[in-house]
Amino acid sequence: DAGITQSPRHKVTETGTPVTLRCHQTENHRYMYWYRQDPGHGLRLIHYSYGVKDTDKGEVSDGYSVSRSKTEDFLLTLESATSSQTSVYFCAINPGQGPQETQYFGPGTRLLVL
Amino acid sequence: AQSVTQLDSQVPVFEEAPVELRCNYSSSVSVYLFWYVQYPNQGLQLLLKYLSGSTLVKGINGFEAEFNKSQTSFHLRKPSVHISDTAEYFCAVSVTSGGSNYKLTFGKGTLLTVNP
Repeated sequence: DAGITQSPRHKVTETGTPVTLRCHQTENHRYMYWYRQDPGHGLRLIHYSYGVKDTDKGEVSDGYSVSRSKTEDFLLTLESATSSQTSVYFCAINPGQGPQETQYFGPGTRLLVL
Repeated sequence: AQSVTQLDSQVPVFEEAPVELRCNYSSSVSVYLFWYVQYPNQGLQLLLKYLSGSTLVKGINGFEAEFNKSQTSFHLRKPSVHISDTAEYFCAVSVTSGGSNYKLTFGKGTLLTVNP
């Protein structure tokens, strides 16, 4: 258990509303990642962080922003949710010893945008 | 950039039959290779990974995978599957060096369904 929690676990929202998803870790790992999972697409990286206030874009970052003001929390914000952002969102951490390390995943947040 | 191709989106098999889930990758630099499993309504967990050395890697739950550099493949196998192996399986790669921030690139997944 890598001590990763995500909140909320389920959310239904309407198009055009802002949504923030939270990823919390208890181990103070440096590297954190947000993915979305969609049928037929596998997992795609949205944004990642390599330290407090250090973030960068992944392959599907349009429409998303992130913030990391504390080591333990990595927030993903949909500024104005669209139906195409209906997905399952996973947070992950890398313990930080290198690319050979296993990434550990949270339980996921299921988001439905109506 | 690197990419991962999982050649089968769905693989149905009968219980106790052998199974192979195929994964090919493309990269201009050296990579580490991973297989993750996702049981229904859960997050992903590591099955096994190849870092270096022996090309045959053993993982949890009786799975193994073989790294083939010449064919850029990392196929996952199990000699006898159980109903409980029903899950989605993801192949992934990470670049071994060079400021990648340890990012993973995933394939699109293979849904393994084990039938009685």
